[in-house]
Amino acid sequence: AQSVTQPDIHITVSEGASLELRCNYSYGATPYLFWYVQSPGQGLQLLLKYFSGDTLVQGIKGFEAEFKRSQSSFNLRKPSVHWSDAAEYFCAVGAGNFNKFYFGSGTKLNVKP
Amino acid sequence: NAGVTQTPKFQVLKTGQSMTLQCAQDMNHNSMYWYRQDPGMGLRLIYYSASEGTTDKGEVPNGYNVSRLNKREFSLRLESAAPSQTSVYFCASSLSGTADEKLLFGSGTQLSVL
Repeated sequence: AQSVTQPDIHITVSEGASLELRCNYSYGATPYLFWYVQSPGQGLQLLLKYFSGDTLVQGIKGFEAEFKRSQSSFNLRKPSVHWSDAAEYFCAVGAGNFNKFYFGSGTKLNVKP
Repeated sequence: NAGVTQTPKFQVLKTGQSMTLQCAQDMNHNSMYWYRQDPGMGLRLIYYSASEGTTDKGEVPNGYNVSRLNKREFSLRLESAAPSQTSVYFCASSLSGTADEKLLFGSGTQLSVL
């Protein structure tokens, strides 16, 4: 069965520090992978997505993610975090069938000044 | 602004009451979804509609019904609300519903059932 695991519930980083949010997925075929961000009181917004090809994908707001098939991972990174990046981040996988998207439980990011 | 509009934003119900959450999108998307978000559990799919006139159950459909009124609108109904349905509800849409498409989300409805 398809599943997405985000092992870190909360992460706190200092402003200007680098960030890595972990995501592991379980899916039999080549997955479609997504990272979404949710600001307080808002819906989710797409940061980036991976379908095929280059395993390092660039997204909005300076985020990038790397797909590693051997580790079943799709970790999100940012070289230098800004206070406005404080939010909750969700990893998701799109299954092969129509309309099937599976979300991780989310990682809440706090940014220290 | 184009997007997904949900109403209401907040609602408090008593156990046993009924209500309908409304969702409308103006992007001519074919597929629409209802998710619930609970702490530590991420988003779970309640129901989805692949196209106008069709609806299907997701992971957690019990206690809910849906209606795809037309291409724009997809409503979620709680016939007899229970405290376990206290959650944040999100409507989303996508162009054709394939697994490689992004979802576009509304801003959510915070529902409390007392």
